[in-house]
Amino acid sequence: DAGVTQSPTHLIKTRGQQVTLRCSPKSGHDTVSWYQQALGQGPQFIFQYYEEEERQRGNFPDRFSGHQFPNYSSELNVNALLLGDSALYLCASSGTLNTGELFFGEGSRLTVL
Amino acid sequence: QKEVEQNSGPLSVPEGAIASLNCTYSDRGSQSFFWYRQYSGKSPELIMFIYSNGDKEDGRFTAQLNKASQYVSLLIRDSQPSDSATYLCAALDQTGANNLFFGTGTRLTVIP
Repeated sequence: DAGVTQSPTHLIKTRGQQVTLRCSPKSGHDTVSWYQQALGQGPQFIFQYYEEEERQRGNFPDRFSGHQFPNYSSELNVNALLLGDSALYLCASSGTLNTGELFFGEGSRLTVL
Repeated sequence: QKEVEQNSGPLSVPEGAIASLNCTYSDRGSQSFFWYRQYSGKSPELIMFIYSNGDKEDGRFTAQLNKASQYVSLLIRDSQPSDSATYLCAALDQTGANNLFFGTGTRLTVIP
């Protein structure tokens, strides 16, 4: 049973560039949430996708956008990268009745130079 | 602003001792709480969740919830070096998509 998979695992970008991160949820899960975890901090909620729509969004600027595909996989896009966007980006999947039991992928570590 | 606060530590305990991790939350409407463990360089994994006041035990782990005091704790009995990790406390935001508000985590080191 495949868990949550994310790609790429590591990437380096420069300020102003754009990045796309990808996530495939755990088998049987239809809800994908994205979190940003800065070094030494807890994960912060970016947004959640369900039925190909953004269901809720955290306190992140419009530079952060996403998409969910019919197969439940998801992408996170960040435009106009800033140094402060350097972080571990975690994808978490859950069932329709999101009770808070999240299954996290291994994350994509983004470094912005 | 909904917040979850944890003592960032680090917390060091000898092998075999009880490790006590604490967390407070600001939103009285929160009903569900979670403890996630995160090894260095890895993703968080769920250890326990608790919805009701009182204690909930699972093996060496006991979660405690006091809604009146807005306080959640995790006790790890017979601590092992493999328990060395960062422990994240989270509260479920039930006003929307049921996302989690995480604390900054407490770093635990179990000394052999």
